[in-house]
Amino acid sequence: GAVVSQHPSRVICKSGTSVKIECRSLDFQATTMFWYRQFPKQSLMLMATSNEGSKATYEQGVEKDKFLINHASLTLSTLTVTSAHPEDSSFYICSANTGRDSYNEQFFGPGTRLTVL
Amino acid sequence: GQNIDQPTEMTATEGAIVQINCTYQTSGFNGLFWYQQHAGEAPTFLSYNVLDGLEEKGRFSSFLSRSKGYSYLLLKELQMKDSASYLCAVLDSNYQLIWGAGTKLIIKP
Repeated sequence: GAVVSQHPSRVICKSGTSVKIECRSLDFQATTMFWYRQFPKQSLMLMATSNEGSKATYEQGVEKDKFLINHASLTLSTLTVTSAHPEDSSFYICSANTGRDSYNEQFFGPGTRLTVL
Repeated sequence: GQNIDQPTEMTATEGAIVQINCTYQTSGFNGLFWYQQHAGEAPTFLSYNVLDGLEEKGRFSSFLSRSKGYSYLLLKELQMKDSASYLCAVLDSNYQLIWGAGTKLIIKP
């Protein structure tokens, strides 16, 4: 099956610093990648959708200048949380789909737990 | 607005059967997914339904009724490892996934 990796799996940083999270599709080319945020005991919240070579589409309420997304290739997307604050502490999950299947199943990465002190 | 409803929490006994319901109201429908998510981990795909009826896959089955905006996930022969959250998600007319809040399933011995 399709495998998606994320790095790092955990990160702890000081308030005001920037953190970059990588999402890679290991054995397929991802037409579209998605970035989600999940707070404890809540469902996934879509932050943005990115297509290779074009600007990401952000969901309402998500600051595009704070959460920078770069989808430079068909196998790599990065999310940079700029000037992170404690309220940005969350579980960040990326997913990707191949565009091959009619129903566009999303394959999820293992997630990155961000803690901002 | 778009809405996905599923129970917050359910408890069942090891070896038993449990049914997790999901009702939805979305702008368009291009299929319904069920995902399993263990605590601290990313979701894993369980099933996809786009036509009415029951899809069986081992111990797990998923049912869809588009006219009723209703789906359920049926888990048989429950095992302790099935303790997890189960997320219902609908692909809307824009092919965007709309997520339910998830049902936390607790399995007791």
